Amino acid sequence: NAGVTQTPKFRVLKTGQSMTLLCAQDMNHEYMYWYRQDPGMGLRLIHYSVGEGTTAKGEVPDGYNVSRLKKQNFLLGLESAAPSQTSVYFCASTRAGWATEAFFGQGTRLTVV
Amino acid sequence: AQRVTQPEKLLSVFKGAPVELKCNYSYSGSPELFWYVQYSRQRLQLLLRHISRESIKGFTADLNKGETSFHLKKPFAQEEDSAMYYCALNRSTGKLIFGQGTTLQVKP
Repeated sequence: NAGVTQTPKFRVLKTGQSMTLLCAQDMNHEYMYWYRQDPGMGLRLIHYSVGEGTTAKGEVPDGYNVSRLKKQNFLLGLESAAPSQTSVYFCASTRAGWATEAFFGQGTRLTVV
Repeated sequence: AQRVTQPEKLLSVFKGAPVELKCNYSYSGSPELFWYVQYSRQRLQLLLRHISRESIKGFTADLNKGETSFHLKKPFAQEEDSAMYYCALNRSTGKLIFGQGTTLQVKP
């Protein structure tokens, strides 16, 4: 049971470079989320999606873009990385409906130098 | 606005002592509330949800709509409970919001 898989696990970028983080889930979940985790700030929602082809902004969307072309995949893009985007990124997915459990990926540790 | 607040960044207790991790929320409607836990070098996982009213690993949490709280409690802390704990609020239409997290440190 793979669950939620994030690629890559680690990455170092130079300021101004771009990259895409991939999140894949095999549970046929409707909703998917991208969070960043920073010390003292907890998990902050970047973008989320309530279904294939739809995306919405979370709390901290600036500097990021997302796409949900296939139901099982949710991509997070950084067009021009900045040191402030150094963080641990988590993807999660849930079924639609009342009080459903979120399943998380293992995280991607990104450092922008 | 939908918001979750965990006022304590760090809670340090001795083994066997009672534990209470605080969570307050703001949401107009019927909230769906959860506690998630992240053990060292592991992914976040669900600990418990308010609708199930169950006890997981000795932890319980009661939804108090009057005080808009969902505090997590355990009568006797164990060293293996040391972890980061997140309170979360969800809506059936999406947008899962987490609090800032509380690190629980249980000392021997």
